[in-house]
Amino acid sequence: QVQLQESGPGLVKASQTLSLTCTVSGGSISSGEYYWTWIRQTPGRGLEWIGYVYYTGSTYYNPSLKSRLSMSLDTSKRHFSLQLTSVTAADTAVYYCARDLSGGLGGAGVFDIWGQGTMVTVSS
Amino acid sequence: QSALTQPPSASGSPGQSVTISCTGTSNDIGGYRYVSWYQQHPGKAPKLMIYDVDKRPSGVADRFSGSKSGNTASLTVSGLQTEDEADYYCYSYAGSNKGVFGGGTKLTVL
Repeated sequence: QVQLQESGPGLVKASQTLSLTCTVSGGSISSGEYYWTWIRQTPGRGLEWIGYVYYTGSTYYNPSLKSRLSMSLDTSKRHFSLQLTSVTAADTAVYYCARDLSGGLGGAGVFDIWGQGTMVTVSS
Repeated sequence: QSALTQPPSASGSPGQSVTISCTGTSNDIGGYRYVSWYQQHPGKAPKLMIYDVDKRPSGVADRFSGSKSGNTASLTVSGLQTEDEADYYCYSYAGSNKGVFGGGTKLTVL
C-alpha cells in the first residue's frame, strides 16, 4: 500500500526559503502514471494547488507562486521536494503532498493518496 | 486562476439528500470533464470521493454522486449519515497542466 510522508521544518523565518520533502513508500515513484503534487491549506484560503513534478523531472506550478517555487524528484531516494523562496506570513499553512493519478494529463486532479500534512509557520 | 465558488455551508437530516454546488468558468469546469470532489474530516487529510465529474473510486459509498452542467459541478450525498458531516472541496482542471480548488463547503448533518 502506497504511503506518503511529508517532512521538513515547522517554522521558517520570513524572507527565507521553505523546504519540504515527501517520501514515497510501498510503491514506485518512477511510474509515468502519476504526478507528484503539493497542495497547501490555510484557514482563510482553503485548499490551494501548488504544483507537481513528473517522474521525468518536468514541473508545472501555480502561476501565483511560480516565481518563488521549485520542485524536484529523486527516484533513488524515493522522494520529491518543494522549495518556496522569500516566504511571508501568507505562506503559513498545512502542506500536503499527494499522488495525482490522472493517467496522462497532469493537473487533472485525481488525488488518490495524500500525506498526513505538515504545518509550516512563517515567523517574523 | 480564481478559486471555484462553493457555498460555505450545507445541511440535511439523516436519510435526506443534499447537493453541494461548485461554480467555475468556461476555462475550468465548463471546459473539461476533470472535476473531482474531496471529503475532509477535522484534522485529517482530504479523501477522494468523485473524479472525472461522476466516477467513484473503489471503496466510496454509492450514496455519493457527481454531475456537471455548464460551468457548475455538483456533489450529491443521498441517505445522509452522521459520518458524512465534513468539509467538501471541489477541484477542476484549468488548462495548461494546472488546476484550482473550490473554497470548501461545511456539511452539517442535523
